[in-house]
Amino acid sequence: GAGVSQSPSNKVTEKGKDVELRCDPISGHTALYWYRQSLGQGLEFLIYFQGNSAPDKSGLPSDRFSAERTGGSVSTLTIQRTQQEDSAVYLCASNPERGTDTQYFGPGTRLTVL
Amino acid sequence: AQSVSQHNHHVILSEAASLELGCNYSYGGTVNLFWYVQYPGQHLQLLLKYFSGDPLVKGIKGFEAEFIKSKFSFNLRKPSVQWSDTAEYFCAVNAPRGTGNLIFGKGTKLSVKP
Repeated sequence: GAGVSQSPSNKVTEKGKDVELRCDPISGHTALYWYRQSLGQGLEFLIYFQGNSAPDKSGLPSDRFSAERTGGSVSTLTIQRTQQEDSAVYLCASNPERGTDTQYFGPGTRLTVL
Repeated sequence: AQSVSQHNHHVILSEAASLELGCNYSYGGTVNLFWYVQYPGQHLQLLLKYFSGDPLVKGIKGFEAEFIKSKFSFNLRKPSVQWSDTAEYFCAVNAPRGTGNLIFGKGTKLSVKP
């Protein structure tokens, strides 16, 4: 079946602009995660959604970052007033539940902030 | 806080050489352990995972890993590498009772010379 999809695949923006990144998880997967992959920092957890529960935002690096998940499916990660240090690959992953299940990753969105 | 250390940043091997990539984690409780691989231009995919039971786990493409609880280690091995194994390898852990978000090591880049 279809895997996790993300759009856009690449995004170039100017410092100070807002960006929205989209994730379509695998159908039926209730858990959705956002991670960031950057040089020097590796892969970092950002936010977690499980069904209709309140998200775990403990990994968000600043209040410029927010995310929502509508209808328990598609998720949007928004970065406001982008900074150059936000340049990274943003990865989305989903799994059927949480914890012991394998997370399936999307191809990522490469964000470049000029 | 949980953390994962991968000892080697970049490993260069010739085809048919044996491979061992080190991974140590820091966490006091029960963990699930994973190795993910990222081939050039592709997204992260699961190589193998350990949840419980036999500490020697076998994954795809001839890879295996051994969980040594007393050493907090989960090293990845392959007896004979191929050029197609050139990729970046990430060790990760999560806590089964938490949100399930993965804590990743910084990755080891493997280059296999034909």
